[in-house]
Amino acid sequence: KQEVTQIPAALSVPEGENLVLNCSFTDSAIYNLQWFRQDPGKGLTSLLLIQSSQREQTSGRLNASLDKSSGRSTLYIAASQPGDSATYLCASLGGSQGNLIFGKGTKLSVKP
Amino acid sequence: NAGVTQTPKFQVLKTGQSMTLQCAQDMNHEYMSWYRQDPGMGLRLIHYSVGAGITDQGEVPNGYNVSRSTTEDFPLRLLSAAPSQTSVYFCASQKGGLAGPTDTQYFGPGTRLTVL
Repeated sequence: KQEVTQIPAALSVPEGENLVLNCSFTDSAIYNLQWFRQDPGKGLTSLLLIQSSQREQTSGRLNASLDKSSGRSTLYIAASQPGDSATYLCASLGGSQGNLIFGKGTKLSVKP
Repeated sequence: NAGVTQTPKFQVLKTGQSMTLQCAQDMNHEYMSWYRQDPGMGLRLIHYSVGAGITDQGEVPNGYNVSRSTTEDFPLRLLSAAPSQTSVYFCASQKGGLAGPTDTQYFGPGTRLTVL
């Protein structure tokens, strides 16, 4: 059974810092790896999707990488801003149900 | 496009009551699913549907029923609410009937349910 782990559970950084969020998964047979953002009391917003054949995806200040062989993905946020404060969730897509297996998230706080 | 919509936003039930959480999408997506999000547990799949008339169970289906009579709507029914069903419920949809490697899932804003 796929398990997705995110470390750390919480992270606080000063504004302007570059940071990395980590995600690991136990089963490398995945279709893709997705990163989501969740603001308090809100739904999930898709940030980046990396197909299993890809190594990384970029969107603005965000860069996500995927290493299937080691079961790891990272989300790199450049020049962090207070507006980046949110919980970031990674999820792997695999198996026959078409569902995402989620990590428990990293709660990011960017201090002005 | 409104995307994925859910009603109600908040609901308080008493133990034993029944209710239906509504979910609709206007993107003509085949795949729809329901997750629940609990502190310390992450999001877990309750039920899913790969198209109208087709539903199946996910990881935590007990106490919930679903049906899919149209492409747009995927309601989740709580048959007899229990305090263990206190949670935040999210509906999601994606284009393909089953997950394709390029398909993103779109989530609704959630329904916050409390069962007393």
